[in-house]
Amino acid sequence: EAGVAQSPRYKIIEKRQSVAFWCNPISGHATLYWYQQILGQGPKLLIQFQNNGVVDDSQLPKDRFSAERLKGVDSTLKIQPAKLEDSAVYLCASSAHGRGYGYTFGSGTRLTVV
Amino acid sequence: TQLLEQSPQFLSIQEGENLTVYCNSSSVFSSLQWYRQEPGEGPVLLVTVVTGGEVKKLKRLTFQFGDARKDSSLHITAAQPGDTGLYLCAGSLAGGADGLTFGKGTHLIIQP
Repeated sequence: EAGVAQSPRYKIIEKRQSVAFWCNPISGHATLYWYQQILGQGPKLLIQFQNNGVVDDSQLPKDRFSAERLKGVDSTLKIQPAKLEDSAVYLCASSAHGRGYGYTFGSGTRLTVV
Repeated sequence: TQLLEQSPQFLSIQEGENLTVYCNSSSVFSSLQWYRQEPGEGPVLLVTVVTGGEVKKLKRLTFQFGDARKDSSLHITAAQPGDTGLYLCAGSLAGGADGLTFGKGTHLIIQP
């Protein structure tokens, strides 16, 4: 089966600019997650979708980050305006069952804010 | 405060040696997973453990979930250069939301 697709792979922007990342999960996976991985650390959950509804966005900095999952398939994560500390790899993962089972991660988007 | 503490953070050993990586918490997890991540790629799932005291083996890798479901270990026997990578433990909190909480990871280098 095809894996989780993410684009772009790399993005460099200046602070205060906006940026968007795209994720296409594995077909049929109802649960989709966005994680932020800062260099040298483990991934941190930003938001979880179940189909097209938000299940958990408690760690999403909502003043600058937004995410949507239209029609319960693809998802986009947006940052506006970006700050230097947003430099990280943004990982998308999907799961058929949730509850920590069967996660498949994409290769991520490496964001550098200068 | 880090919910999952991994140790050691860095480990460099010779090919053929054995090693153990630890993942500890004061919280109870309904399940715990181990991932391996290579540079420029997303984490890849190695194993999921769900029962306290459970032991799972994957070739030269042995995973154990603590009896109280608060800690886990990963033991590698006869390490090979191909085992080099970032090893991450991650868990779903008992009674919590679905999303995984990750440790900071152990950077493992196996020298030929």
